[in-house]
Amino acid sequence: GQQVMQIPQYQHVQEGEDFTTYCNSSTTLSNIQWYKQRPGGHPVFLIQLVKSGEVKKQKRLTFQFGEAKKNSSLHITATQTTDVGTYFCAGETSYDKVIFGPGTSLSVIP
Amino acid sequence: EAQVTQNPRYLITVTGKKLTVTCSQNMNHEYMSWYRQDPGLGLRQIYYSMNVEVTDKGDVPEGYKVSRKEKRNFPLILESPSPNQTSLYFCASSFVTDNEQFFGPGTRLTVL
Repeated sequence: GQQVMQIPQYQHVQEGEDFTTYCNSSTTLSNIQWYKQRPGGHPVFLIQLVKSGEVKKQKRLTFQFGEAKKNSSLHITATQTTDVGTYFCAGETSYDKVIFGPGTSLSVIP
Repeated sequence: EAQVTQNPRYLITVTGKKLTVTCSQNMNHEYMSWYRQDPGLGLRQIYYSMNVEVTDKGDVPEGYKVSRKEKRNFPLILESPSPNQTSLYFCASSFVTDNEQFFGPGTRLTVL
C-alpha cells in the first residue's frame, strides 16, 4: 500500500546545531504538509507545499518539496530548545487520502 | 475561539464495554478525521468524513465506527473495545482534504 517514511526516527542535537528530517513517499503526492507535536501536545500545522521543487522558509525553518513530488525535507538552522518535539510530514495522495509519516523526534541539548 | 474539542481526555475501560469518544469543531469544516497514535507508528487514520452523512475507512478502521449526522460532530465508537485499541486518539478537521488540519487535544484510552 501507499506509505510515507521519515528518517531519522530520532535525532539528538546540541543547541545551535542544525537539524534535518527527510520524508519519502512510495507514490506521487498532490501536496505535503508538515506538523509539529510538542511533548504531551497535539500536532500543529506548520506549512503546506504544493508545487514541484517548492521551497518555503519560516524564520529558521526551511521546507522543500522534491521535483518528483515524492519526497520532502524540513531543515532547522541553529536549533533552540523550543524546537523540541516530533515533526510529522503528511502527504495527500491522488485519492484524497492523507497519509502521515511516523515522525522524527527531535531532542535539543542545552 | 476556533477549536476542536474531544471528550473524554482520558479513559480507562475494560474489554467489551462499549464507549464513545466525542469530537466537535466550531469552524464549519467539512472534512473531519480520526487518528490513532502509537509509538513508532506515527498517526494512522481510522476513519474520515468529507461531509455530513459521508464517511470512509482510513488505514486502520477495524473495531471502530463513526457517524456524521451533523457538520460539527464526528464521534468515534468502539462497540467492543479490546486491549490492542489502547492508544492516543486525535480528532482533526479542515475545510477540505488539502487544507491544514486542526487537531483536538487527544484522548488517551486504556483498555484493560
